[in-house]
Amino acid sequence: DAMVIQNPRYQVTQFGKPVTLSCSQTLNHNVMYWYQQKSSQAPKLLFHYYDKDFNNEADTPDNFQSRRPNTSFCFLDIRSPGLGDAAMYLCATSIETDYEQYFGPGTRLTVT
Amino acid sequence: GESVGLHLPTLSVQEGDNSIINCAYSNSASDYFIWYKQESGKGPQFIIDIRSNMDKRQGQRVTVLLNKTVKHLSLQIAATQPGDSAVYFCAENMWTSYDKVIFGPGTSLSVIP
Repeated sequence: DAMVIQNPRYQVTQFGKPVTLSCSQTLNHNVMYWYQQKSSQAPKLLFHYYDKDFNNEADTPDNFQSRRPNTSFCFLDIRSPGLGDAAMYLCATSIETDYEQYFGPGTRLTVT
Repeated sequence: GESVGLHLPTLSVQEGDNSIINCAYSNSASDYFIWYKQESGKGPQFIIDIRSNMDKRQGQRVTVLLNKTVKHLSLQIAATQPGDSAVYFCAENMWTSYDKVIFGPGTSLSVIP
């Protein structure tokens, strides 16, 4: 089945130690998104790619970076995780930016 | 700033009853609205959407109503089942320099057996 896959599902990292989360899709969608979701809150958009064009949200900290080497894969790099970065990170895809998004199961990040 | 908000943070309904989840939006330029369901430990799942040229859209057991005059969106779930227990988010799509989806704060629906 076509789907959005996120690895790992759970990630523990140390304060200040770089970490990379990965997302892959078999839907061949143009757009890939990264969201941060904290407990009992709505997903917050960090950035998205339309094909290779990167769109960063104005309030996304510089500590968060992203790469999309090809259509299928997208990575979220957190250069120096702080305790406040502990959250669920959701990857989503859509065929176009004004169509519904398909979400992966998320990666829960713990910072110790 | 522009935002999407929900009137009720929690909602409890009896199994078999109908559920109505409400959402208010403030950006009159928004032209596409989506409802997502998020179960515990999972990513949001698309339920139904509606574009601004419509005021009603029906799916299987779900109906979305859009009232552009008062900037209000609702999700109706018929014959609510225990499997409907989840957090429901409305989201609006607005154009800035690109299409951007903004999620509302969410409503937690609990179905009482």
